Order: sequence, then structure tokens, then C-alpha cells
Amino acid sequence: GNSVTQMEGPVTLSEEAFLTINCTYTATGYPSLFWYVQYPGEGLQLLLKATKADDKGSNKGFEATYRKETTSFHLEKGSVQVSDSAVYFCALSDAANFGNEKLTFGTGTRLTIIP
Amino acid sequence: DTEVTQTPKHLVMGMTNKKSLKCEQHMGHRAMYWYKQKAKKPPELMFVYSYEKLSINESVPSRFSPECPNSSLLNLHLHALQPEDSALYLCASSSRDRQFFGPGTRLTVL
Repeated sequence: GNSVTQMEGPVTLSEEAFLTINCTYTATGYPSLFWYVQYPGEGLQLLLKATKADDKGSNKGFEATYRKETTSFHLEKGSVQVSDSAVYFCALSDAANFGNEKLTFGTGTRLTIIP
Repeated sequence: DTEVTQTPKHLVMGMTNKKSLKCEQHMGHRAMYWYKQKAKKPPELMFVYSYEKLSINESVPSRFSPECPNSSLLNLHLHALQPEDSALYLCASSSRDRQFFGPGTRLTVL
């Protein structure tokens, strides 16, 4: 079955530091990969996605590249801000079942940025 | 309109109560989802509706009863819940290969 392994948290960084959150996956077929962010007391927001190998998703300074050879989708940002403090979830979906997708989530990584 | 709305935002209920959670989207999505999220955990899929028909039930106890009255609305009827059912309940809808989540209902069962 599908699974997502995500870097254990919590992660605490100083403002303007470089961020990497590791994510690796196991899946049959050709999944789509996602990073979702959850701010305190809120639902999940899609941060970025990639639907095929070597695609790079990017949004708000965050980037992740779909690496089929290493089955990874690591999240990076060059300079984090206090407002980036949140929980980040890596996820995959079975791309063969559009409109009825089952998302498989990683365990989440809590990120705290200190001024 | 790219929003999924959920009501109520917070709900406190006793173990003998009957209540309902509501979810609405006007993006024309034909798949809608209920998730349960416990503190510091990822969301767990409960139900999927596709074209207003239940397509996935992840072995959820019968005290949770989903309903999809039309393509824009999704309800979750609650009856005889247990304290361990206290959680954030998230609704989502999906376009091609992307799910949009609502803000959730924070449920407390006393």
C-alpha cells in the first residue's frame, strides 16, 4: 500500500534560516505529491504540488521537487519568516483515481520560527 | 468561490445527543470527503462521496452517518458518540488531483 514518511519534528529555526523538511514515499503506480500546511486552529491549505517525476512545485518561497529515483519530495525554503510557523504535511494521492482520491498523509512536522 | 465552508465551528455535545455537521462547496466538485483529525496527528479519512454516492467508508462506526443531499452539500450526522470521538472534523472537496479543505468543526464529546 501507499505510505509517506516525514521528518520528525518539532523543528525550531531562527528567522531567515534555511528550511528543509524531508519526505519520502512508497507507492504503486505514479502518485501525485503534495505539501499541505495547517496553521493553528485552521484546516489544511495546499502549499504546493507536483504530479509527475522531475516536476517542481513552488509557492510563497517554498519549493519541492518530485524525485522518482529517490522517492522523495523534500520541502525547502531559503529564508523562513515567523509567519511560516505551522504544521506541514506531506501527502500523496493515487493519480489513477481522479475525482475520488484517497490522500495518504505523513505524520506532520511542526515548525516554529523564532524572531 | 474557492472555499469549503463548515458549520458549526465548535460543537460540544453529550453522549446521548444527536447533532449534525454541515459542509458546503460551490466549486462544482463532484467528490467530497470527511476526515477526522486528533491533536498532533494527520487527518484520517472517514468517508468519500463521489457524484453524491458513498464510494469509500473507512470502517467508521455507525454512530457516524454521512449524507450527501446534493452535489454542494455534505452532512455528518452524529449520535451516541464517545469522548474519544472528540476531534477536529474536516470536510474537503476535490477537483482534478487536488483537495480543498474547510476550516473544520472542533467537536468535544462530554
